[in-house]
Amino acid sequence: NAGVTQTPKFQVLKTGQSMTLQCAQDMNHEYMSWYRQDPGMGLRLIHYSVGAGITDQGEVPNGYNVSRSTTEDFPLRLLSAAPSQTSVYFCASSYGRKAGPGTEAFFGQGTRLTVV
Amino acid sequence: GENVEQHPSTLSVQEGDSAVIKCTYSDSASNYFPWYKQELGKRPQLIIDIRSNVGEKKDQRIAVTLNKTAKHFSLHITETQPEDSAVYFCAALTYTGRRALTFGSGTRLQVQP
Repeated sequence: NAGVTQTPKFQVLKTGQSMTLQCAQDMNHEYMSWYRQDPGMGLRLIHYSVGAGITDQGEVPNGYNVSRSTTEDFPLRLLSAAPSQTSVYFCASSYGRKAGPGTEAFFGQGTRLTVV
Repeated sequence: GENVEQHPSTLSVQEGDSAVIKCTYSDSASNYFPWYKQELGKRPQLIIDIRSNVGEKKDQRIAVTLNKTAKHFSLHITETQPEDSAVYFCAALTYTGRRALTFGSGTRLQVQP
């Protein structure tokens, strides 16, 4: 049981490049989400998914796309990288539908992205 | 949408003292409040949580209290130790509009030996 696995751990992109951050979980969690963490701003929700084939926007979705073709995987795509997307990205998953045990988010180890 | 405010942004205490971190939330529909600890360069990890039908929860040296009327909740750490030094985040779960955890901006706790 590996939990939530993110790849890569570090990435440097040039402005305008595209890339995909990978996220996989082996806990059969239905809920997965992507956050970005910037200094002094906590974690902000980018996109989330409540199950395979269902995605929705979070607080800061612009410049990012997601898809959820399987329960296990939830990749985040940067369409055309910009310096403002320099951040640490965390994928998280949980299985609860209602508040309570299981609602908490289990985080991946993070991806530190720098856009130059 | 939900808005979570967290105070203080930094907190320095002596080893053995208590530390208190406070959060307020705006959406009365929020019904679950986890706290995360994040060490430098690591992922956030859940340390304690509380549901809206509970007023207080304790786990060894840490406790969380919730005041639904005032829409605030607090983390209490007693007998602090140097290994408690980290950034702590509060969060609120709401189903209004979207099912999402909204995080506070974090508190950097430093425990001085």
